[in-house]
Amino acid sequence: EVQLVESGGGLVQPGGSLRVSCSASGFTFSSYAMHWVRQAPGTGLEFVSGISSYGGDTYYADSVKGRFTISRDNSKNTLYLQMSSLRAEDTAVYYCVKDMEGPYDYWGQGTLVAVSS
Amino acid sequence: QLVLTQSPSASASLGASVKLTCTLSSGHSNYAIAWHQQQPEKGPRYLMRVNGDGSHNKGDGIPDRFSGSSSGAERYLTISSLQSDDEADYYCQTWGTGIVLFGGGTKLTVL
Repeated sequence: EVQLVESGGGLVQPGGSLRVSCSASGFTFSSYAMHWVRQAPGTGLEFVSGISSYGGDTYYADSVKGRFTISRDNSKNTLYLQMSSLRAEDTAVYYCVKDMEGPYDYWGQGTLVAVSS
Repeated sequence: QLVLTQSPSASASLGASVKLTCTLSSGHSNYAIAWHQQQPEKGPRYLMRVNGDGSHNKGDGIPDRFSGSSSGAERYLTISSLQSDDEADYYCQTWGTGIVLFGGGTKLTVL
């Protein structure tokens, strides 16, 4: 059974930093690209960042480019998102998703990041 | 510019069928899309991929009541024999090189 379990969310002040993680199981993690998608309260889904299976290619939404860094550790089956210079508009539930060469076929349960003073 | 357009809301009666639409922007009518369901207070769940030729590939455990189809730039999700727990937000998703987009979502109310 595929499982994606996010952790590391919490309350952070504007301008602060936070790293969220996603532990994957039930599939060959190193064979798939992985992405982060977020959902601000009461709104729809927004692509944040993606990384290729081997980690050599990364992609970012314009809204987070230069502030967020995606990475992965295939030996630990773990995906990361390092977030810095956080803003109030980054407040959202962050979902880890498995990329099936286009469509997202599995989602985590999400971790809430709240940016507020 | 690649854009996905969905109606904000839809409604249908318990036991009936409903067809939700996701429209691809001009020049992108051959793109495949994916449908995702998000029940209240839950994370999204992958339902299926719908290709430009109308073929579709469902996710693990998705009931036969859910089906996909296509016509031109429109991609459809049909849900038959509506149940109360089909009341949810439905999002379409598409992708390209280094880009992923979602539609704004359709909130389905089961009457």
